[in-house]
Amino acid sequence: DAKTTQPNSMESNEEEPVHLPCNHSTISGTDYIHWYRQLPSQGPEYVIHGLTSNVNNRMASLAIAEDRKSSTLILHRATLRDAAVYYCILGRQTGANNLFFGTGTRLTVIP
Amino acid sequence: GAVVSQHPSWVICKSGTSVKIECRSLDFQATTMFWYRQFPKQSLMLMATSNEGSKATYEQGVEKDKFLINHASLTLSTLTVTSAHPEDSSFYICSASRPGGLMNTEAFFGQGTRLTVV
Repeated sequence: DAKTTQPNSMESNEEEPVHLPCNHSTISGTDYIHWYRQLPSQGPEYVIHGLTSNVNNRMASLAIAEDRKSSTLILHRATLRDAAVYYCILGRQTGANNLFFGTGTRLTVIP
Repeated sequence: GAVVSQHPSWVICKSGTSVKIECRSLDFQATTMFWYRQFPKQSLMLMATSNEGSKATYEQGVEKDKFLINHASLTLSTLTVTSAHPEDSSFYICSASRPGGLMNTEAFFGQGTRLTVV
């Protein structure tokens, strides 16, 4: 499975935008880019996913590089509730969700 | 609200005993569910794929006789940790996704079960 590389940790001030990077230089043409986040002592929750085009939803935006070798999750206004570990995952199989999690980025939001 | 529910949320058991964890999809039928394990300060590790009506598929290094998976209905998968030992203490998480939707749609995760073996 293609690997992703994320910074171990990032900090953001409350109510400021956050850009969480992810490198996936070995991504294949059929790999989707998924983002999940895990709050302390909870199961992960879906944030967003995309294939080639940038994506927006109520939680975040996903900016995908033209060559697809990197992507950035954008939280437009960080809140304390956004403090979590954010995982960038490549989904190889359609219709299945056996996700292989990397180490993720621990986001700390400073009040 | 939650669409995948696990029970129990936490459990403490004695070494050598077996523990069963349930994973239910609440508002959809899931032919496939997934079980993960997460040790403190580490990432989630996929353990196995639970297939309704057939045998589970285990990831390399996961003992199938120790981690018994039963997916007897379209809304329930169970993971039984047999002859538990302290090193099995971990956070166990299941997931499922809605069938028949767009390809590569979101996975729904349970809230996790924290197992402590004493």
